[in-house]
Amino acid sequence: GAVVSQHPSRVICKSGTSVKIECRSLDFQATTMFWYRQFPKKSLMLMATSNEGSKATYEQGVEKDKFLINHASLTLSTLTVTSAHPEDSSFYICSARPGQGIGYTFGSGTRLTVV
Amino acid sequence: AQKITQTQPGMFVQEKEAVTLDCTYDTSDPSYGLFWYKQPSSGEMIFLIYQGSYDQQNATEGRYSLNFQKARKSANLVISASQLGDSAMYFCAMREGPYSGGSNYKLTFGKGTLLTVNP
Repeated sequence: GAVVSQHPSRVICKSGTSVKIECRSLDFQATTMFWYRQFPKKSLMLMATSNEGSKATYEQGVEKDKFLINHASLTLSTLTVTSAHPEDSSFYICSARPGQGIGYTFGSGTRLTVV
Repeated sequence: AQKITQTQPGMFVQEKEAVTLDCTYDTSDPSYGLFWYKQPSSGEMIFLIYQGSYDQQNATEGRYSLNFQKARKSANLVISASQLGDSAMYFCAMREGPYSGGSNYKLTFGKGTLLTVNP
């Protein structure tokens, strides 16, 4: 089946540094990638939608300059958390929809801890 | 208004019994899809079952079935013969728009229900 590979699975960084999270579609072309954020025992909140070769669409309240999204190819989308602060600590997960099927494929998620 | 409402923050069920997890939705789009996902403590999102708005029959996938009541805008998940491994968060989600419409229709998630299966 369709797989989205997400790395890293876990990262600890110092406050003020930047962290890049990668999502790769392994056996399909992902023209669109969805980026979600999830706090412990909470729902998945859509942060932004990235489309290959164009600017990402951010949800209301999400800082574009803090959460930089790049979707340079049909198989790779990246989320960079810039100048990370402890309040950015969260679980980030990406998702794409392979082809015309009904399903959405999710990455395995990245647990970010900012210290 | 919330698009997906899951009113049960937590549910308990005895092993081998059936359990129903509630989900109601709100949309004015005639074409939509409803999904249930399981999220164990590892964080991965596991697809369980799908119901399209035009599907005449309730969806079933093994021990999972979806009780779709369109007029009530309800899409409850029924898990039969619960197993200890079913303990996890369960999310109801909705895609607004036809499934054939392309890859850029986002999913909107409910707040989730934490299911605990007791031995």
